[in-house]
Amino acid sequence: GAVVSQHPSWVICKSGTSVKIECRSLDFQATTMFWYRQFPKQSLMLMATSNEGSKATYEQGVEKDKFLINHASLTLSTLTVTSAHPEDSSFYICSATGGGPDTQYFGPGTRLTVL
Amino acid sequence: RKEVEQDPGPFNVPEGATVAFNCTYSNSASQSFFWYRQDCRKEPKLLMSVYSSGNEDGRFTAQLNRASQYISLLIRDSKLSDSATYLCVVAYNFNKFYFGSGTKLNVKP
Repeated sequence: GAVVSQHPSWVICKSGTSVKIECRSLDFQATTMFWYRQFPKQSLMLMATSNEGSKATYEQGVEKDKFLINHASLTLSTLTVTSAHPEDSSFYICSATGGGPDTQYFGPGTRLTVL
Repeated sequence: RKEVEQDPGPFNVPEGATVAFNCTYSNSASQSFFWYRQDCRKEPKLLMSVYSSGNEDGRFTAQLNRASQYISLLIRDSKLSDSATYLCVVAYNFNKFYFGSGTKLNVKP
């Protein structure tokens, strides 16, 4: 149980375009979802925390107008990278809580490459 | 000061060795503690939760010392497949999670 999926797993896009990443909890209702970014050989960096039906809480230094988060239901959150630039190329990982006590379950990640 | 600090390693050990990692945290109000394992270019996977009484899962033993604010992970009889980065995670308020930068383990034949 407690499976989180992400789609797409891998995307290449042109600079200036927008990319949407979906995160779904498949077998539980996610009370909270988190979005992380991870650059090569670095640790996970929390970008934002979202609760269903309310606005996401962004970490310091993360532009909310560039990284749009929508958490429309208890099983789906989306992250849209708007006007992507090459420096946005990274591994984006979502996680969700609600499938066990205090435990985060991670999606498989989305590798974004912006040309 | 970082919320969670770990020795980045790498720890290079032979198969069969016992290896231990420590992790310190700064917030005494922290409520939950976890060890995650992350393989290269993959998402973190929960290895085990850490309880005050300590807990063991096969070759893995986790300990929590609230007085000194650190948690530890002990791996006995290391396998090649244990090679990964081990992330220490500390949570409070049930929805605020802090990750350590990870400790890299290389188990060699």
